[in-house]
Amino acid sequence: EAQVTQNPRYLITVTGKKLTVTCSQNMNHEYMSWYRQDPGLGLRQIYYSMNVEVTDKGDVPEGYKVSRKEKRNFPLILESPSPNQTSLYFCASSQTSLGRYNEQFFGPGTRLTVL
Amino acid sequence: DQQVKQNSPSLSVQEGRISILNCDYTNSMFDYFLWYKKYPAEGPTFLISISSIKDKNEDGRFTVFLNKSAKHLSLHIVPSQPGDSAVYFCAAFLSGSARQLTFGSGTQLTVLP
Repeated sequence: EAQVTQNPRYLITVTGKKLTVTCSQNMNHEYMSWYRQDPGLGLRQIYYSMNVEVTDKGDVPEGYKVSRKEKRNFPLILESPSPNQTSLYFCASSQTSLGRYNEQFFGPGTRLTVL
Repeated sequence: DQQVKQNSPSLSVQEGRISILNCDYTNSMFDYFLWYKKYPAEGPTFLISISSIKDKNEDGRFTVFLNKSAKHLSLHIVPSQPGDSAVYFCAAFLSGSARQLTFGSGTQLTVLP
């Protein structure tokens, strides 16, 4: 089954404790992206990756890091989480094309609470 | 600065009636518009799209209308069913942009039985 998986699905942590949210896709997609969803703000892009070893900032990258060492995986790293990073996070993937839209497939989400 | 706006956070309609969800955008260069649907505890899923060169696209009970002069699009669901109750996100795509999609803030649709 074609899918995007994220782990963990739920996480409660404390300020300053480093954490990683994993994302994996089995569709051989080049493009992967991280979003956060906050009330009244919709989905905002954090980071994206056009392919292996190619990553760039989205609209709200502060406080986050990513890496893309393999095509299928795109982990999101919070080196020193703060309460304002409490949010619902989604990973997404698609074929890459700058010329036309390709449907993005989303993971089930990770709800993160930073105390 | 939100380039894609959904001004109604919520909408309630009776089962069988029409649901109309609205979306406005500011960037006239967007060339695809999409609607995603999201159920609780799940990721958004693609629903329907429209190219900027069209003014209407229909898929079963779902129709999206695009008014480029007003920079406005709408999603019509006819007839509405309780299973349509979800958050609907409007999104826009800009050719040549590596960032892919810009999303609106979402509208919670509740279809009452």
